[in-house]
Amino acid sequence: SQQGEEDPQALSIQEGENATMNCSYKTSINNLQWYRQNSGRGLVHLILIRSNEREKHSGRLRVTLDTSKKSSSLLITASRAADTASYFCATDAKNTNAGKSTFGDGTTLTVKP
Amino acid sequence: NAGVMQNPRHLVRRRGQEARLRCSPMKGHSHVYWYRQLPEEGLKFMVYLQKENIIDESGMPKERFSAEFPKEGPSILRIQQVVRGDSAAYFCASSPGQGRLGANEKLFFGSGTQLSVL
Repeated sequence: SQQGEEDPQALSIQEGENATMNCSYKTSINNLQWYRQNSGRGLVHLILIRSNEREKHSGRLRVTLDTSKKSSSLLITASRAADTASYFCATDAKNTNAGKSTFGDGTTLTVKP
Repeated sequence: NAGVMQNPRHLVRRRGQEARLRCSPMKGHSHVYWYRQLPEEGLKFMVYLQKENIIDESGMPKERFSAEFPKEGPSILRIQQVVRGDSAAYFCASSPGQGRLGANEKLFFGSGTQLSVL
């Protein structure tokens, strides 16, 4: 089945709250990436975490990776209405012969002002 | 640098017609990827190309779909004899290429082409 599955499918929070999204995958990976997609637009890269890293920060974003559980989480702190979007994780599996990413179905985040 | 450019933004075709989707990668990028996205789903990998070469087309349907990335000009995703099930958003992404197979990189996405088949 699909490598990279996000949980929950949809998340609704108030502005200022934190949002946590999870991603699970099935095979060994080189790295995992999180992307954001606004409605009707292309994806924007947020952050990449390599398989030998456990945590990474970028501004209000915090990503963790647990390779033993084959899972990752994306935390957005102090959310804003402008954070409303869909968030996707993408994995690059080991031993693949091409640099392609496999995307999950995404978490739709709604931040209410 | 204008980023990854896709055109047209919207494309309407009748069943049986051909659809041609274009993608100009970011300047200096030699790797192009095409993805398809159905409503409320994630992106599904279709094909990975470098200049004049198809590297991985494992996500391409066996019939009616083809892709190219010529030495000059944009990458083209071509769908022949379109059917209603081809209606979707098609995204192109590019990356600079690190010369090492299997190493992923940050992908830069275009805004997509929304294909509607009547």
